[in-house]
Amino acid sequence: QVQLQESGPGLLKPSGTLSLTCAVSGDSISSSNWWTWIRQPPGKGLECIGEIYHSGSTNYNPSLKSRVTISVDKSKNQFSLRLSSVTAADTAVYYCARVGGGSSSYWFDPWGQGTLVTVSS
Amino acid sequence: QSVLTQPPSVSAAPGQKVTISCSGSSSNIGNNYVSWYQQLPGTAPKLLIYETNTRPSGIPDRFSGSKSGTSATLGITGLQTGDEADYYCGTWDSSLSAGVFGGGTKLTVL
Repeated sequence: QVQLQESGPGLLKPSGTLSLTCAVSGDSISSSNWWTWIRQPPGKGLECIGEIYHSGSTNYNPSLKSRVTISVDKSKNQFSLRLSSVTAADTAVYYCARVGGGSSSYWFDPWGQGTLVTVSS
Repeated sequence: QSVLTQPPSVSAAPGQKVTISCSGSSSNIGNNYVSWYQQLPGTAPKLLIYETNTRPSGIPDRFSGSKSGTSATLGITGLQTGDEADYYCGTWDSSLSAGVFGGGTKLTVL
């Protein structure tokens, strides 16, 4: 079955850059799917960060767009997230997921297990 | 502040039925399909419903989805203690060109 696994540093200092990678197994990153990053601050709800297609096309949450870069590495079947100028407000569990649907249909399945990133001096 | 609005909490007794609402606008729910996710404590969200009313393989028919105008509803019948979780609605927002979620609803099975 399709599995996604996030990896990256769990602790960052303010003003630093968050870098995470999502390794995909059981599906090709070059399939007809988009791939996405979603985050969840402790005790709070879910927030879409952005998504990428294997061609390199991206969509970003307008509230994060100026700080976010999502990229894809087809040779490693993985995609990555970079979030610059982080603050304590960026402390969250970061999930990667596959986007299903198309046109007016849009859902996330499956999800990675998530990785907690803490921003603290 | 989430783009989609859900009640913070709902509760019902085992065996009963509960509904969770999700309110949006014409730029999201009004013109796009809705999905629902179940998040058990300490775990990643799991897809429950997609395309408003379709259950993925393995999801019991106790879970159902519907939509009317700019609002969607998740229904759960035959409540079990194992259904205690946070539930999120989600969809695409055509104005934002981004995915959006509701703030989540905590279900308590009394």
